[in-house]
Amino acid sequence: EAGVVQSPRYKIIEKKQPVAFWCNPISGHNTLYWYLQNLGQGPELLIRYENEEAVDDSQLPKDRFSAERLKGVDSTLKIQPAELGDSAVYLCASSPNMTSGGVYEQFFGPGTRLTVL
Amino acid sequence: AQSVTQLDSHVSVSEGTPVLLRCNYSSSYSPSLFWYVQHPNKGLQLLLKYTSAATLVKGINGFEAEFKKSETSFHLTKPSAHMSDAAEYFCVVSDRYNQGGKLIFGQGTELSVKP
Repeated sequence: EAGVVQSPRYKIIEKKQPVAFWCNPISGHNTLYWYLQNLGQGPELLIRYENEEAVDDSQLPKDRFSAERLKGVDSTLKIQPAELGDSAVYLCASSPNMTSGGVYEQFFGPGTRLTVL
Repeated sequence: AQSVTQLDSHVSVSEGTPVLLRCNYSSSYSPSLFWYVQHPNKGLQLLLKYTSAATLVKGINGFEAEFKKSETSFHLTKPSAHMSDAAEYFCVVSDRYNQGGKLIFGQGTELSVKP
């Protein structure tokens, strides 16, 4: 079974430039997550999708960050414009459908390491 | 509100000796607890999870963790460390009945294994 795929693995840009990250979840996983991981810290949730609906985007800085999952499969996370402080690893994860009272394992991709100069 | 505290930012052991990575959690509800491992330049991998069944949870690669509600702890142990265990380990809490299973990560513990 293929895992969560992310691209690119590494990205270096200058500040104020736009950048986009792509994620393809495990086949059949309806829930998709984007996390931000700063150096030396644990990941923090940015946004969670159930199919194509963003059900939790409370931690997404909406002034510069946007995300979409138009067909309920793969997803794109965008930053425009990027700032120096956005340098981090952006992780994508997926899990099977959530049910009431259930917690499913989240499967993580390798991440995209963003460096903003 | 939920939170996780990993009591050591770095642990160093010799190969073949026991491993103990400490984790305390805070949760208003019945929590689910996880340990994830992250090797350099690789994705996070689930080691084990507790979801209100047996309090002693066995995971992959010989790791296990014990849920102690009275101590609000979920420490990760392994009887004998292997060089391949060197990695970053994250203790994670999730509220099973609220917040859509949102995962709250600790700050991580870096495990070094000396030959």
